[in-house]
Amino acid sequence: DAGITQSPRHKVTETGTPVTLRCHQTENHRYMYWYRQDPGHGLRLIHYSYGVKDTDKGEVSDGYSVSRSKTEDFLLTLESATSSQTSVYFCAISESSEGYTEAFFGQGTRLTVV
Amino acid sequence: KNQVEQSPQSLIILEGKNCTLQCNYTVSPFSNLRWYKQDTGRGPVSLTIMTFSENTKSNGRYTATLDADTKQSSLHITASQLSDSASYICVVSPYNNNDMRFGAGTRLTVKP
Repeated sequence: DAGITQSPRHKVTETGTPVTLRCHQTENHRYMYWYRQDPGHGLRLIHYSYGVKDTDKGEVSDGYSVSRSKTEDFLLTLESATSSQTSVYFCAISESSEGYTEAFFGQGTRLTVV
Repeated sequence: KNQVEQSPQSLIILEGKNCTLQCNYTVSPFSNLRWYKQDTGRGPVSLTIMTFSENTKSNGRYTATLDADTKQSSLHITASQLSDSASYICVVSPYNNNDMRFGAGTRLTVKP
């Protein structure tokens, strides 16, 4: 899995609680991404980072925040989890944003908000 | 409406048979098209990447084709194996990796 570790792999949390998912890479890639995957939908981009402290919003960023204080770590935070955020979350990394560059995905975190 | 549509949604074939998965897209402009394989409980893994100037790309028993004029791509799997059972995802980028548009995938089951 190209040196990407997501933690935790599974989490159940209650509505209204904060949740932080972690993505750790050992490839020293500049770009890191957070996606969510829901049944019947393709993966959708939440946020991405193009360097330490440099982040930008994706298609479905509402209710999520991110931080990247080190090249290797990209954190996704749900400030106040809602049931609509029940999903499988994937982190991806890429050496550059150029269109022909490979993007590698982590194994995913299954989050259930009850 | 999703800009990347895949068909069929699911497919069951017998081991050793060939199959073809379809991807139609409306994404514009066009930078590249990728096919990913996603095993159950795992992240997607890249099979092929094609730019507009490429109309075919192979990776072992997997062959992807691209018709940029009709905005269609197909993934052909030859001599299927049980390990081919997975979801296959078509991804189209208008510009770069920051803007990849994912199809919902085709779920392939290969039976012995």
